[in-house]
Amino acid sequence: DQQVKQNSPSLSVQEGRISILNCDYTNSMFDYFLWYKKYPAEGPTFLISISSIKDKNEDGRFTVFLNKSAKHLSLHIVPSQPGDSAVYFCAASLYQAGTALIFGKGTTLSVSS
Amino acid sequence: DSGVTQTPKHLITATGQRVTLRCSPRSGDLSVYWYQQSLDQGLQFLIQYYNGEERAKGNILERFSAQQFPDLHSELNLSSLELGDSALYFCASSVGTGGSYNEQFFGPGTRLTVL
Repeated sequence: DQQVKQNSPSLSVQEGRISILNCDYTNSMFDYFLWYKKYPAEGPTFLISISSIKDKNEDGRFTVFLNKSAKHLSLHIVPSQPGDSAVYFCAASLYQAGTALIFGKGTTLSVSS
Repeated sequence: DSGVTQTPKHLITATGQRVTLRCSPRSGDLSVYWYQQSLDQGLQFLIQYYNGEERAKGNILERFSAQQFPDLHSELNLSSLELGDSALYFCASSVGTGGSYNEQFFGPGTRLTVL
């Protein structure tokens, strides 16, 4: 049973527009969420994270929103750039326990110029 | 560059064989995690070591084993290989375990192909 789900395998966006990537989770015990970006032939790289005590975290063009009641988080990229084209993975964990990350299957973002 | 190194980059072997994947964590990181990414799958957690001790186990098959050495590098041993073991294997490291130490940095991965 998948605990972290990214239901959209792919997303295409034009340069300059907003990209919204979505993620749902089933385990209400998760209290720390992360987004990783992955280019082909490279390992995932950390992008942004959010603790369950917050509902928003911003870092430059990237903002993550968390809706605990809906068990849903989203990553907003504004404005989108062609270099953002990559696979984006949502991950969840139990913060204090330091457990391993539970990943979704990823969403491939394509930003066209 | 995350600072996590993995060798080899590619590995091609036959069914029934045994291979060893190696990972060196970032300088100062005590925790090492192993993940498997099969086709169309997300990253599946296999096993975690912290300062030489096994900390947590995920979906790791009995044919697979790992260890972390005193210099903190880690090895993942895969034996009696099957076609379905073909995948990308990632190693990640973090400073510690729990709290703010849980952000993990990933290596570039080892692509294993079993023929």
